[in-house]
Amino acid sequence: GAVVSQHPSRVICKSGTSVKIECRSLDFQATTMFWYRQFPKKSLMLMATSNEGSKATYEQGVEKDKFLINHASLTLSTLTVTSAHPEDSSFYICSAGPTGVYGYTFGSGTRLTVV
Amino acid sequence: GENVEQHPSTLSVQEGDSAVIKCTYSDSASNYFPWYKQELGKRPQLIIDIRSNVGEKKDQRIAVTLNKTAKHFSLHITETQPEDSAVYFCAAYTGGFKTIFGAGTRLFVKA
Repeated sequence: GAVVSQHPSRVICKSGTSVKIECRSLDFQATTMFWYRQFPKKSLMLMATSNEGSKATYEQGVEKDKFLINHASLTLSTLTVTSAHPEDSSFYICSAGPTGVYGYTFGSGTRLTVV
Repeated sequence: GENVEQHPSTLSVQEGDSAVIKCTYSDSASNYFPWYKQELGKRPQLIIDIRSNVGEKKDQRIAVTLNKTAKHFSLHITETQPEDSAVYFCAAYTGGFKTIFGAGTRLFVKA
């Protein structure tokens, strides 16, 4: 149980375009989803917390107009990187839950390359 | 906010030896501490966790200890195997269930 599907796994886009990443909980309802960004050989940095039906809460330093998060249902959250630039290239991972008291399950991640 | 520090950043051990990774946290309200193993290009996988009302937890070759007073917790891997080679992240749950991760430890187990 507690499977989280994230798509796409890899995406290459041109500078200036927008990219949407989906995170779905397949067998449970996720009232909260977290979005993380990971640079090569670095830790996961929390970008934002998304609660179903509410506006996302962004961490300090994360541009909410650039990283649009939508959590319209209990099984789906999306992260849209708008007007992407090469510096946005990174590994983006979602985490959904709770499953149990503390459980959160990670998606498989999306490697974004902006050229 | 919560800050989690993790040491060492790199750890190299011989197969069969033990490996210890240490983390400290700053927010005394943190009450749940998971450890994740991440292989290259893959999602982090939860390997063991501990809650703040417990001092130690063991699962086969893996154990975690927690010292709430000192605000530090450690991961212990015994009888290491080459397949244990990966990056390990400690984490702390803050209020609101946000997870703050340590910087990671790259573990190399040499055969």
